[in-house]
Amino acid sequence: QQQVKQSPQSLIVQKGGISIINCAYENTAFDYFPWYQQFPGKGPALLIAIRPDVSEKKEGRFTISFNKSAKQFSLHIMDSQPGDSATYFCAASNSGAGSYQLTFGKGTKLSVIP
Amino acid sequence: ETGVTQTPRHLVMGMTNKKSLKCEQHLGHNAMYWYKQSAKKPLELMFVYSLEERVENNSVPSRFSPECPNSSHLFLHLHTLQPEDSALYLCASSQGGGVGYEQYFGPGTRLTVT
Repeated sequence: QQQVKQSPQSLIVQKGGISIINCAYENTAFDYFPWYQQFPGKGPALLIAIRPDVSEKKEGRFTISFNKSAKQFSLHIMDSQPGDSATYFCAASNSGAGSYQLTFGKGTKLSVIP
Repeated sequence: ETGVTQTPRHLVMGMTNKKSLKCEQHLGHNAMYWYKQSAKKPLELMFVYSLEERVENNSVPSRFSPECPNSSHLFLHLHTLQPEDSALYLCASSQGGGVGYEQYFGPGTRLTVT
């Protein structure tokens, strides 16, 4: 059973456009939602993260929107650039369980074309 | 060397071979992780070590055997693997464990089992 569903699987956006990646989760105990960015030949790197006490978090061109009632969260990349082309993973975790476990989505391959 | 390093970067092995993957973190962290990354599947946490003690073991087959001799080094010993074990194996480390502690990933070892 996949606990974090991510869509779309791939995304093509023109330079300057907005990239939107969506994730939905099932476990209501999740309370930490990070996004990771992975370039070819590299490991994933933390991009931005949110906790459910806020509905939005912005860092530069990257914004997480969080909808607790719908159990959904999304990553918005404003003014997308070719350098943003990478695979993006959403993840979720439960701090109450004291767990090291991050449950990841399957990833979205973003291509930003000039 | 900086960050998290992994060797070898690529490995091809037969099903009867024994090999080991090595991970080294240069960040002064006290928790280390092994993940398996397969195409079109979520990252799967395999093992977690905190302060050199194994704290997570996600039902991984015994043909994978981790070893953490100190807080800077982590090994994954492989024997009698199956073709479905072919994947990218990622090592990560964090300062502290659990939610909110950013995991820093290495570049991975691309393993092919023939």
